[in-house]
Amino acid sequence: EAQVTQNPRYLITVTGKKLTVTCSQNMNHEYMSWYRQDPGLGLRQIYYSMNVEVTDKGDVPEGYKVSRKEKRNFPLILESPSPNQTSLYFCASRRTSGGLLTDTQYFGPGTRLTVL
Amino acid sequence: KQEVTQIPAALSVPEGENLVLNCSFTDSAIYNLQWFRQDPGKGLTSLLLIQSSQREQTSGRLNASLDKSSGRSTLYIAASQPGDSATYLCAVLDQGGKLIFGQGTELSVKP
Repeated sequence: EAQVTQNPRYLITVTGKKLTVTCSQNMNHEYMSWYRQDPGLGLRQIYYSMNVEVTDKGDVPEGYKVSRKEKRNFPLILESPSPNQTSLYFCASRRTSGGLLTDTQYFGPGTRLTVL
Repeated sequence: KQEVTQIPAALSVPEGENLVLNCSFTDSAIYNLQWFRQDPGKGLTSLLLIQSSQREQTSGRLNASLDKSSGRSTLYIAASQPGDSATYLCAVLDQGGKLIFGQGTELSVKP
């Protein structure tokens, strides 16, 4: 089954304790992206990756890091989490054709993060 | 800067009613527009994707239209059911390859 998986699904942590949220897709998609969703603010892009070893900042990259060492994986790293990073996080992927990004975007189930 | 707006923010209808959700965007230079469904606390499920060269797409009871020149899209749901209750999001893929979302319409279909 074609899917985007995220782990963990729920996480409660404390300020300053480094954490990683994993994301994996089995569709051989080139493009991957991370979003956060907050009430009243909607979905905002954190980082995206056009392909292996290529990453770029989205709208709200501060406090986050990503890496893309393999095509299927795109982990989100919070080096020193703070309470304002409490949110619902989504990973997504999309096939690209000839460098265009015109296909359907698939989303993971989400990771609900609480930073105390 | 591309902005996507969805109206209404919330909608409550009785079962069986046909309904229309609206989405507008400020910059007509888009690659495509996608409608998603999100259940509370869950991920996004893609419903329909309309390429910029297309006018509409249909899937079952759903029909989405796109008028790129006026910056509008509608999602039509026929014969609504309680199981259709969810938040519906529209998103446009801009020329830079970024997917920009509206705030969503929260739909409640009452039995």
